[in-house]
Amino acid sequence: GQQLNQSPQSMFIQEGEDVSMNCTSSSIFNTWLWYKQEPGEGPVLLIALYKAGELTSNGRLTAQFGITRKDSFLNISASIPSDVGIYFCAGGTNTGNQFYFGTGTSLTVIP
Amino acid sequence: DTAVSQTPKYLVTQMGNDKSIKCEQNLGHDTMYWYKQDSKKFLKIMFSYNNKELIINETVPNRFSPKSPDKAHLNLHINSLELGDSAVYFCASSQDYRPNYGYTFGSGTRLTVV
Repeated sequence: GQQLNQSPQSMFIQEGEDVSMNCTSSSIFNTWLWYKQEPGEGPVLLIALYKAGELTSNGRLTAQFGITRKDSFLNISASIPSDVGIYFCAGGTNTGNQFYFGTGTSLTVIP
Repeated sequence: DTAVSQTPKYLVTQMGNDKSIKCEQNLGHDTMYWYKQDSKKFLKIMFSYNNKELIINETVPNRFSPKSPDKAHLNLHINSLELGDSAVYFCASSQDYRPNYGYTFGSGTRLTVV
């Protein structure tokens, strides 16, 4: 199956800093999702994007659907310790029956 | 109420044993999935059922057999467990087989084969 590449693979940042991560694919997608996985838990949906160029926010999180439809970006502003976790992107098509997940970005926030 | 619940949370067993993981969702979704997350945290789809019908069956050893008695339940039975089966297994559900609104995941079952 397809695998989407996320970068960076891991990030260590100070509390209060902003975070940027991205996800790239060799295929075009119609839907991009961003999930967060905390230790010992399953991934939880943060943001869903349905249109090229779309910018959507959820609190301090903002995600963008790339205009090429082959990438997506997630920004976290003013990070706090509870932002720690692994962030996954996932891409899907209108005719497909599954989402393809990225390789994940592990975020550590140092108080 | 937990939307997607899996049992057990942890499973430690010896090589060669047979074990099952159970999953239930109370969201009224039509489609359920099993995902495997390896030590590098890659999420890989294994199976998908839509209204009790198998619709995704990725390249998985036939020692793994899913069963869906109804659309709210999806179980995973594993025969002759091997060391390489050690991983976290996630159950998930979506409204229908075109998961445009994404998946709701359970909290995972950590399987350790010794």
